[in-house]
Amino acid sequence: EAQVTQNPRYLITVTGKKLTVTCSQNMNHEYMSWYRQDPGLGLRQIYYSMNVEVTDKGDVPEGYKVSRKEKRNFPLILESPSPNQTSLYFCASSARQGGHEQFFGPGTRLTVL
Amino acid sequence: AQSVTQLDSQVPVFEEAPVELRCNYSSSVSVYLFWYVQYPNQGLQLLLKYLSGSTLVKGINGFEAEFNKSQTSFHLRKPSVHISDTAEYFCAVSAASEGQLTFGSGTQLTVLP
Repeated sequence: EAQVTQNPRYLITVTGKKLTVTCSQNMNHEYMSWYRQDPGLGLRQIYYSMNVEVTDKGDVPEGYKVSRKEKRNFPLILESPSPNQTSLYFCASSARQGGHEQFFGPGTRLTVL
Repeated sequence: AQSVTQLDSQVPVFEEAPVELRCNYSSSVSVYLFWYVQYPNQGLQLLLKYLSGSTLVKGINGFEAEFNKSQTSFHLRKPSVHISDTAEYFCAVSAASEGQLTFGSGTQLTVLP
């Protein structure tokens, strides 16, 4: 089954404790992206990657890191999480940039205390 | 850069009534336009998209949208809604030459019995 998977689905952590949210897709997509969803703000793009070893900042990259060492994986790293990073996070992938449909993962709900 | 405005944050409507969810965008370049739907506790899935050609676009579940370049709008419509259409709907835009997808703040559609 074609899908985007994220782990963990739920995470509660404390300020400053490094964490990684994994994202994997099995569709051989070139393009991958991370978003955060907050009430009243819709989805805002954190980082995106147009291919292996190519990443770029989205609208809200501060406090986040990403890497794209393999085509299928695009982990999101929070080196020192803070309470304002409490949010619902989505990973997405598409065949290419531009007009292609983005396929979304199920989401990761992160709470930083 | 592009921006998207969804004019209504909440739209309540009775079952079998028609509905229109409004979306306006701003961009200085050619764009692609999308509508995504998010059912409770799920990721987003594509309803429809406009890339070029006919300005009336048909999507899944009986939804359609019309691209109006002069009014920079991409309103979503359905002639008769069902309870199962209750969800949050997001309009999104990307520049034809870029990888970044910009979302609106979302419209919660609630279908009442």
